[in-house]
Amino acid sequence: QQPVQSPQAVILREGEDAVINCSSSKALYSVHWYRQKHGEAPVFLMILLKGGEQKGHDKISASFNEKKQQSSLYLTASQLSYSGTYFCGTEINRNRDDKIIFGKGTRLHILP
Amino acid sequence: DSGVTQTPKHLITATGQRVTLRCSPRSGDLSVYWYQQSLDQGLQFLIQYYNGEERAKGNILERFSAQQFPDLHSELNLSSLELGDSALYFCASSRQRGSWDEQYFGPGTRLTVT
Repeated sequence: QQPVQSPQAVILREGEDAVINCSSSKALYSVHWYRQKHGEAPVFLMILLKGGEQKGHDKISASFNEKKQQSSLYLTASQLSYSGTYFCGTEINRNRDDKIIFGKGTRLHILP
Repeated sequence: DSGVTQTPKHLITATGQRVTLRCSPRSGDLSVYWYQQSLDQGLQFLIQYYNGEERAKGNILERFSAQQFPDLHSELNLSSLELGDSALYFCASSRQRGSWDEQYFGPGTRLTVT
């Protein structure tokens, strides 16, 4: 049930773009994206709830495909501050004990 | 600063011992979540409480237990500790009952079992 994130790690130069994918074998109710910098707590980025939805702020955006089994996080013109580990969290049940299951993360390192 | 506080920041203890981790959610948040994060793993969901009641359970061992008190702070109790329990334990809080709500994470408690 754990979503699969790809790639596991990526190294970019400042200004380059990155795409991080999150896939599930089952249709999802929602996808959550978080970023965690080394030694810090995860920080919320965004939630996607509807198939076909796209969201974004600044140069970070995400999409949720129509079948609601895959989400992608887009980092445009990456900045040094984007370095960290990105986690997607997926909600597969919408009942009393629904919970978010996080992927293993994608490590992003931005070089100057 | 997310507004979620956790104590202690670091904890070093021996195998077989019992420890209690404490979490205070953001003001107004009724849900508290506990996660375990070890070196090679992502965030493993342990348990969620909403307004004092257990709402959802994840991969929480029987040696672990949690509760949420009337003032909404929560405690995670870990007993009969093993070396493999060494990890970073995060608490998160959210306004709503459902897991579709954004979560705010505390700074974590780093537990080392020797």
